[in-house]
Amino acid sequence: DQQVKQNSPSLSVQEGRISILNCDYTNSMFDYFLWYKKYPAEGPTFLISISSIKDKNEDGRFTVFLNKSAKHLSLHIVPSQPGDSAVYFCAPRSSGTYKYIFGTGTRLKVLA
Amino acid sequence: NAGVMQNPRHLVRRRGQEARLRCSPMKGHSHVYWYRQLPEEGLKFMVYLQKENIIDESGMPKERFSAEFPKEGPSILRIQQVVRGDSAAYFCASSPPSRGSTDTQYFGPGTRLTVL
Repeated sequence: DQQVKQNSPSLSVQEGRISILNCDYTNSMFDYFLWYKKYPAEGPTFLISISSIKDKNEDGRFTVFLNKSAKHLSLHIVPSQPGDSAVYFCAPRSSGTYKYIFGTGTRLKVLA
Repeated sequence: NAGVMQNPRHLVRRRGQEARLRCSPMKGHSHVYWYRQLPEEGLKFMVYLQKENIIDESGMPKERFSAEFPKEGPSILRIQQVVRGDSAAYFCASSPPSRGSTDTQYFGPGTRLTVL
């Protein structure tokens, strides 16, 4: 039973354009959502987060949008850069627990 | 300001041997988490520890796997009598003493275990 789904295993975007990575979840108890970026042979690196009391959080080129009614969040990267090429995981957490539930990831490739 | 450290980075074991994976959290962090990533999958939570305490081990297999975080020294994830299905990347994460419910976990580089 997959509680977190990232339905696009891969995405290619031209440098300078917008990258949109999507994440759907089923557990309405999730109240905190993180995005991690992972390069090969490295651990995940925290990118940006959003609490369930918000619907948008922005940090430089990265913006996360949360639609609680649709149980959907998305990560926007604009403008995309070749160094953004990595695997991106969304990782929500339930209220009162420390357990992050990771999606299967989306491999982003930004073409120069 | 060192991040989360894990060693070894790569570990090869034969079936039936023991594997010991070590994790030193970031300075000032007292919470340690272990995750496992199988090929083509996301990371799966295994266990959450504080110093000398296992807080949540609901993701740990019931047999052969154990974890500890002693008062002194790194956290250890121990896998006894390894089988081929244990081959995976094992990631450790740490977070600071809790000030609320939104602690971000910071990950180490992982240990890639290969069981022959």
